[in-house]
Amino acid sequence: GAVVSQHPSWVICKSGTSVKIECRSLDFQATTMFWYRQFPKQSLMLMATSNEGSKATYEQGVEKDKFLINHASLTLSTLTVTSAHPEDSSFYICSAQGHDTGELFFGEGSRLTVL
Amino acid sequence: QKEVEQNSGPLSVPEGAIASLNCTYSDRGSQSFFWYRQYSGKSPELIMFIYSNGDKEDGRFTAQLNKASQYVSLLIRDSQPSDSATYLCAVNRAGGYNKLIFGAGTRLAVHP
Repeated sequence: GAVVSQHPSWVICKSGTSVKIECRSLDFQATTMFWYRQFPKQSLMLMATSNEGSKATYEQGVEKDKFLINHASLTLSTLTVTSAHPEDSSFYICSAQGHDTGELFFGEGSRLTVL
Repeated sequence: QKEVEQNSGPLSVPEGAIASLNCTYSDRGSQSFFWYRQYSGKSPELIMFIYSNGDKEDGRFTAQLNKASQYVSLLIRDSQPSDSATYLCAVNRAGGYNKLIFGAGTRLAVHP
């Protein structure tokens, strides 16, 4: 099946710093990628929809200036958590939609811990 | 009302039994329904999807959809300890993309 890779798989940073998470579709082109956040023992919460070459669409309650999303190519979307705080500590997961089938493929997730 | 609702569990079943997982959704415009399995600390993996009313079988798994009742379920036959995980129900939100809205998940524990 198709592969979606996220990097880094885990990151620890100090409060106030910015962290970038990459999501790559390795063997297919993804016109649309989705970013989710998951707190412990809770479900995945959709944060934003990332479209190649255009601005991301954010879900209600998600600060677009804090969670910067860039989808510069058909195989790469990045999520930057700016001025991270401990409450931003979470598991961030991306998914990519295959251009041909529309099926969603999930990345392995990135665990962010903000000290 | 949450868009997608699931009983959080845990649902405990003996090995070899049938596990029944349920999910209800609020958006009548939803067209696609998915069941994902998530092991602790890992990202979800797709088990099945269903688009039409009725049953869809794949190996030990059967998905059931009833759009009139806004209800979707997953049956796992001959449950194995390796099936122990959290099962997430996901429903697409109408709007052109595969925007999946997830339920909180049901934790399944299969004991030997």
